[in-house]
Amino acid sequence: EAQVTQNPRYLITVTGKKLTVTCSQNMNHEYMSWYRQDPGLGLRQIYYSMNVEVTDKGDVPEGYKVSRKEKRNFPLILESPSPNQTSLYFCAFQSGGNYEQYFGPGTRLTVT
Amino acid sequence: EDQVTQSPEALRLQEGESSSLNCSYTVSGLRGLFWYRQDPGKGPEFLFTLYSAGEEKEKERLKATLTKKESFLHITAPKPEDSATYLCAVQAGGSWGKLQFGAGTQVVVTP
Repeated sequence: EAQVTQNPRYLITVTGKKLTVTCSQNMNHEYMSWYRQDPGLGLRQIYYSMNVEVTDKGDVPEGYKVSRKEKRNFPLILESPSPNQTSLYFCAFQSGGNYEQYFGPGTRLTVT
Repeated sequence: EDQVTQSPEALRLQEGESSSLNCSYTVSGLRGLFWYRQDPGKGPEFLFTLYSAGEEKEKERLKATLTKKESFLHITAPKPEDSATYLCAVQAGGSWGKLQFGAGTQVVVTP
C-alpha cells in the first residue's frame, strides 16, 4: 500500500528560524505536491514536482522552497518563516494515470 | 480561472436522513473531478474520481455523480461515522497534477 509520511507532525518555531518539513513516499510515484490548509481558504497548492529535479510553483509559493533530488522525497523548506505561514501542511503524491492524489497525515506548523 | 464552489457549507443530519452535497465547477477541459473525506486534523482521504458527464461511482452509503457543470455526493441513510468534511477538487486538462479544491461541506450526523 502506497503511503506518505511527513515529519515533523507538529512544530512550533519562531520568526526567521529556517525549517524543513520532510515528505517521503514508499513507492516510486513521479508526481508529488505540497498544500497548505487554512480555515476559510481551503487547500491551496504551494509547489509540485513532476519528477526528480523538476519542480514548479503552485498558487501560493511565496516564502517556500522545495527540492526533488530523489523520487521518494520532496522536502518543503521555509528559509525565513513568518507568522502568516502558520498553517496545516499536506504532502501528496499522484497515482499514475488515474490523476488521483493521496495525502499524508499533515504537519501543523505554528510560527510565533 | 478554474473555480470550485461547494454547498452547503455545513449540513446537520439525523441518522438515516439522506441528503446531497453539491460541487459546482468551472474549468477549461476537465481531466477529473475528485471527492475526498477529511476528518479534523487529518489528511484528506480519497473517495472517488469522476471523469466525464453521466458517470457515477458508489461506495457504501456514498454515491457521486457528475454533469458538465456540477457534481453531487449523495449520502444515503447516513450514520454518525459519516460525520466529516467532504471536499471536492478538479484537475484541468491544461494543468497536469494541479488540484483546485472547493472549501468543503462539513457534515454532522447525529444519532
